[in-house]
Amino acid sequence: AQSVSQHNHHVILSEAASLELGCNYSYGGTVNLFWYVQYPGQHLQLLLKYFSGDPLVKGIKGFEAEFIKSKFSFNLRKPSVQWSDTAEYFCALTRNSGNTPLVFGKGTRLSVIA
Amino acid sequence: EAQVTQNPRYLITVTGKKLTVTCSQNMNHEYMSWYRQDPGLGLRQIYYSMNVEVTDKGDVPEGYKVSRKEKRNFPLILESPSPNQTSLYFCASSPNRGRVAFFGQGTRLTVV
Repeated sequence: AQSVSQHNHHVILSEAASLELGCNYSYGGTVNLFWYVQYPGQHLQLLLKYFSGDPLVKGIKGFEAEFIKSKFSFNLRKPSVQWSDTAEYFCALTRNSGNTPLVFGKGTRLSVIA
Repeated sequence: EAQVTQNPRYLITVTGKKLTVTCSQNMNHEYMSWYRQDPGLGLRQIYYSMNVEVTDKGDVPEGYKVSRKEKRNFPLILESPSPNQTSLYFCASSPNRGRVAFFGQGTRLTVV
């Protein structure tokens, strides 16, 4: 069965620092990859997604992620974080074959301090 | 506005008292699912439904029931809640199982 690993449980950054959150998955076939964000007290919202094509995908609010197939990774990046980026970030995947479930990582909590 | 609506948003109940959390979507999505979110465990799927009258177990189905009598509604039923079901619950819908999921606002349940 496929699984998703997020390496960092809690990341603390100062405003304007660069961000990279790690995400690795285990599955040998083709996958669809997602990053969701959950702001405090709110529901999950889609940040960006990768289905196929250009492995560097851009999402909302200046976030981007790069799919590196050889490393089974889909790390999330942002050049300069803001206080409003404080949230929990979830990496997720589905298999690209048939109807398969969305499998989530355990999440990374990002705290941005002024 | 496209949305997934859950009710109630907050619920405190006692052990053994049956409860239902409702979920409704207005996007005509075929696929709906329920997740629970617990600290350090991320989101785990409880049940899912691929269409009307088609439901199946996710990773943590014990203690829960669901039904899908209409396309737009997917209620989560706890017949006899226990304290270990205290959690934050999310309903989600998508056009099909492998595509982008839209989440409801969440229901924070406390069982005492």
